[in-house]
Amino acid sequence: DVKVTQSSRYLVKRTGEKVFLECVQDMDHENMFWYRQDPGLGLRLIYFSYDVKMKEKGDIPEGYSVSREKKERFSLILESASTNQTSMYLCASSLAGGRQPQHFGDGTRLSIL
Amino acid sequence: KNEVEQSPQNLTAQEGEFITINCSYSVGISALHWLQQHPGGGIVSLFMLSSGKKKHGRLIATINIQEKHSSLHITASHPRDSAVYICAVRPNFGNEKLTFGTGTRLTIIP
Repeated sequence: DVKVTQSSRYLVKRTGEKVFLECVQDMDHENMFWYRQDPGLGLRLIYFSYDVKMKEKGDIPEGYSVSREKKERFSLILESASTNQTSMYLCASSLAGGRQPQHFGDGTRLSIL
Repeated sequence: KNEVEQSPQNLTAQEGEFITINCSYSVGISALHWLQQHPGGGIVSLFMLSSGKKKHGRLIATINIQEKHSSLHITASHPRDSAVYICAVRPNFGNEKLTFGTGTRLTIIP
Protein backbone atom coordinates (compact mmCIF):
# COMPACT_ATOMS: atom_id res chain seq x y z
CA ASP A 1 0.00 0.00 0.00
CA VAL A 2 1.08 3.54 -0.73
CA LYS A 3 2.76 5.33 2.17
CA VAL A 4 3.72 8.97 2.54
CA THR A 5 5.31 9.69 5.91
CA GLN A 6 5.82 13.14 7.40
CA SER A 7 8.38 13.33 10.17
CA SER A 8 6.25 15.13 12.76
CA ARG A 9 2.51 15.48 13.44
CA TYR A 10 2.97 18.53 15.65
CA LEU A 11 5.86 20.97 15.81
CA VAL A 12 6.40 24.16 17.79
CA LYS A 13 9.22 26.52 16.84
CA ARG A 14 10.25 30.09 17.56
CA THR A 15 10.33 33.10 15.26
CA GLY A 16 13.58 33.29 13.33
CA GLU A 17 14.45 29.60 13.64
CA LYS A 18 15.30 27.51 10.59
CA VAL A 19 12.70 24.75 10.35
CA PHE A 20 12.91 21.49 8.41
CA LEU A 21 9.85 19.44 7.51
CA GLU A 22 10.62 16.02 6.09
CA CYS A 23 8.55 13.81 3.82
CA VAL A 24 9.33 10.28 2.64
CA GLN A 25 7.38 8.13 0.17
CA ASP A 26 7.88 4.45 -0.52
CA MET A 27 6.18 4.13 -3.92
CA ASP A 28 9.03 5.25 -6.21
CA HIS A 29 6.91 8.25 -7.28
CA GLU A 30 8.47 10.86 -9.52
CA ASN A 31 6.39 13.79 -8.26
CA MET A 32 6.34 15.21 -4.76
CA PHE A 33 4.48 18.25 -3.45
CA TRP A 34 4.38 20.49 -0.40
CA TYR A 35 1.11 22.27 0.47
CA ARG A 36 -0.08 24.42 3.30
CA GLN A 37 -3.68 24.39 4.44
CA ASP A 38 -5.32 27.32 6.18
CA PRO A 39 -8.98 27.75 7.20
CA GLY A 40 -11.08 29.19 4.40
CA LEU A 41 -8.23 29.02 1.88
CA GLY A 42 -7.95 25.35 1.08
CA LEU A 43 -4.71 23.70 0.06
CA ARG A 44 -2.14 25.92 -1.60
CA LEU A 45 0.93 24.61 -3.38
CA ILE A 46 4.25 25.81 -2.00
CA TYR A 47 6.70 23.79 -4.10
CA PHE A 48 6.63 20.83 -6.43
CA SER A 49 9.40 18.45 -7.52
CA TYR A 50 9.17 16.23 -10.58
CA ASP A 51 12.55 14.55 -10.23
CA VAL A 52 15.61 14.41 -8.02
CA LYS A 53 17.18 17.86 -7.70
CA MET A 54 14.37 19.36 -9.80
CA LYS A 55 11.89 21.78 -8.29
CA GLU A 56 9.26 24.24 -9.37
CA LYS A 57 7.67 27.08 -7.42
CA GLY A 58 4.03 26.78 -6.55
CA ASP A 59 1.58 29.52 -5.71
CA ILE A 60 3.14 30.66 -2.42
CA PRO A 61 6.91 29.91 -2.37
CA GLU A 62 8.00 33.06 -0.52
CA GLY A 63 9.78 32.28 2.74
CA TYR A 64 10.26 28.60 1.83
CA SER A 65 12.82 26.47 0.05
CA VAL A 66 12.94 22.75 -0.74
CA SER A 67 15.45 19.99 -1.20
CA ARG A 68 15.19 16.72 -3.08
CA GLU A 69 18.50 14.88 -2.99
CA LYS A 70 16.93 11.40 -3.19
CA LYS A 71 13.81 10.30 -5.05
CA GLU A 72 11.96 9.19 -1.93
CA ARG A 73 12.58 12.27 0.23
CA PHE A 74 11.35 15.84 -0.17
CA SER A 75 12.19 18.42 2.47
CA LEU A 76 10.54 21.76 3.09
CA ILE A 77 12.69 24.43 4.73
CA LEU A 78 11.51 27.58 6.44
CA GLU A 79 14.65 29.70 6.27
CA SER A 80 13.63 32.08 9.07
CA ALA A 81 10.29 31.10 10.55
CA SER A 82 7.65 33.77 11.05
CA THR A 83 4.31 33.67 12.84
CA ASN A 84 2.40 33.86 9.53
CA GLN A 85 3.85 30.47 8.65
CA THR A 86 1.84 28.83 11.42
CA SER A 87 -0.24 26.35 9.46
CA MET A 88 -0.94 22.73 8.57
CA TYR A 89 1.65 21.43 6.09
CA LEU A 90 0.84 18.48 3.86
CA CYS A 91 3.16 16.48 1.66
CA ALA A 92 1.94 14.44 -1.32
CA SER A 93 3.42 12.26 -4.03
CA SER A 94 2.27 10.86 -7.35
CA LEU A 95 3.47 9.04 -10.40
CA ALA A 96 4.26 11.22 -13.41
CA GLY A 97 1.86 11.34 -16.31
CA GLY A 98 -0.75 13.97 -15.60
CA ARG A 99 -3.68 11.77 -14.56
CA GLN A 100 -2.36 10.09 -11.47
CA PRO A 101 -3.87 10.50 -8.00
CA GLN A 102 -1.84 12.25 -5.34
CA HIS A 103 -1.17 10.36 -2.12
CA PHE A 104 -1.00 12.49 1.00
CA GLY A 105 0.80 12.26 4.29
CA ASP A 106 -0.98 12.86 7.61
CA GLY A 107 0.20 16.46 7.81
CA THR A 108 2.35 18.46 10.21
CA ARG A 109 0.68 21.12 12.31
CA LEU A 110 3.36 23.75 12.74
CA SER A 111 3.12 26.56 15.27
CA ILE A 112 5.57 29.44 15.18
CA LEU A 113 5.68 31.40 18.45
CA LYS B 1 -13.30 34.39 -7.85
CA ASN B 2 -11.76 31.00 -7.06
CA GLU B 3 -11.22 28.67 -9.97
CA VAL B 4 -12.88 25.88 -7.95
CA GLU B 5 -16.04 26.54 -5.95
CA GLN B 6 -17.69 24.05 -3.63
CA SER B 7 -21.15 24.12 -2.11
CA PRO B 8 -22.30 23.94 0.52
CA GLN B 9 -19.41 24.98 2.77
CA ASN B 10 -21.00 23.17 5.70
CA LEU B 11 -23.60 20.42 5.74
CA THR B 12 -25.25 18.69 8.69
CA ALA B 13 -27.56 15.74 8.10
CA GLN B 14 -29.17 12.85 9.92
CA GLU B 15 -27.80 9.36 9.61
CA GLY B 16 -29.28 7.60 6.58
CA GLU B 17 -29.84 10.72 4.50
CA PHE B 18 -28.70 11.05 0.89
CA ILE B 19 -25.91 13.61 0.65
CA THR B 20 -24.89 15.74 -2.33
CA ILE B 21 -21.81 17.97 -2.46
CA ASN B 22 -21.24 20.15 -5.51
CA CYS B 23 -18.13 21.42 -7.25
CA SER B 24 -17.97 23.99 -10.06
CA TYR B 25 -14.84 25.06 -11.86
CA SER B 26 -14.02 27.74 -14.39
CA VAL B 27 -11.09 26.34 -16.41
CA GLY B 28 -10.62 23.51 -18.87
CA ILE B 29 -9.47 20.43 -17.04
CA SER B 30 -7.93 17.05 -17.74
CA ALA B 31 -9.16 15.47 -14.50
CA LEU B 32 -11.14 16.17 -11.33
CA HIS B 33 -10.41 14.64 -7.93
CA TRP B 34 -12.58 14.15 -4.87
CA LEU B 35 -10.65 13.89 -1.61
CA GLN B 36 -11.67 13.18 1.97
CA GLN B 37 -10.02 14.68 5.03
CA HIS B 38 -10.84 13.38 8.50
CA PRO B 39 -10.20 15.33 11.70
CA GLY B 40 -6.49 15.05 12.43
CA GLY B 41 -5.49 15.98 8.91
CA GLY B 42 -4.84 12.95 6.69
CA ILE B 43 -6.24 13.23 3.16
CA VAL B 44 -7.45 10.25 1.14
CA SER B 45 -8.16 10.27 -2.58
CA LEU B 46 -11.71 9.02 -3.24
CA PHE B 47 -12.13 9.45 -6.99
CA MET B 48 -10.40 10.74 -10.07
CA LEU B 49 -12.76 11.56 -12.95
CA SER B 50 -12.39 12.85 -16.47
CA SER B 51 -15.89 11.97 -17.67
CA GLY B 52 -19.11 10.24 -16.65
CA LYS B 53 -19.61 8.59 -13.32
CA LYS B 54 -17.74 6.42 -10.81
CA LYS B 55 -19.05 4.43 -7.86
CA HIS B 56 -17.26 3.00 -4.85
CA GLY B 57 -19.43 1.48 -2.15
CA ARG B 58 -21.88 4.16 -0.97
CA LEU B 59 -20.02 6.94 -2.77
CA ILE B 60 -20.85 8.11 -6.28
CA ALA B 61 -19.07 10.84 -8.22
CA THR B 62 -20.32 12.40 -11.45
CA ILE B 63 -18.89 15.00 -13.77
CA ASN B 64 -20.37 17.11 -16.57
CA ILE B 65 -17.46 18.47 -18.59
CA GLN B 66 -19.62 20.81 -20.71
CA GLU B 67 -21.16 22.44 -17.64
CA LYS B 68 -17.87 22.36 -15.67
CA HIS B 69 -19.59 20.74 -12.72
CA SER B 70 -19.13 17.66 -10.55
CA SER B 71 -21.13 16.16 -7.70
CA LEU B 72 -20.23 13.75 -4.94
CA HIS B 73 -23.12 11.72 -3.54
CA ILE B 74 -23.21 9.61 -0.39
CA THR B 75 -26.06 7.14 -0.01
CA ALA B 76 -27.26 5.89 3.40
CA SER B 77 -24.94 8.33 5.20
CA HIS B 78 -23.26 7.25 8.42
CA PRO B 79 -21.53 9.20 11.22
CA ARG B 80 -18.17 7.81 10.03
CA ASP B 81 -18.72 9.77 6.78
CA SER B 82 -18.25 12.97 8.80
CA ALA B 83 -15.23 14.67 7.25
CA VAL B 84 -14.20 17.51 4.98
CA TYR B 85 -14.67 16.69 1.30
CA ILE B 86 -12.40 18.51 -1.12
CA CYS B 87 -12.73 18.92 -4.86
CA ALA B 88 -9.55 19.48 -6.90
CA VAL B 89 -9.02 19.95 -10.63
CA ARG B 90 -6.04 19.43 -12.88
CA PRO B 91 -6.17 22.32 -15.39
CA ASN B 92 -5.25 21.53 -18.97
CA PHE B 93 -2.38 24.02 -18.74
CA GLY B 94 -1.18 23.03 -15.28
CA ASN B 95 1.06 20.01 -15.93
CA GLU B 96 1.06 18.03 -12.69
CA LYS B 97 -0.49 20.65 -10.43
CA LEU B 98 -3.93 20.60 -8.82
CA THR B 99 -6.18 23.53 -7.94
CA PHE B 100 -8.25 22.92 -4.82
CA GLY B 101 -11.63 24.01 -3.58
CA THR B 102 -11.93 25.12 0.03
CA GLY B 103 -13.83 22.01 1.06
CA THR B 104 -17.25 21.02 2.39
CA ARG B 105 -17.48 20.08 6.06
CA LEU B 106 -19.98 17.25 6.43
CA THR B 107 -21.39 16.21 9.81
CA ILE B 108 -23.67 13.20 10.07
CA ILE B 109 -25.70 13.04 13.28
CA PRO B 110 -26.65 9.59 14.62
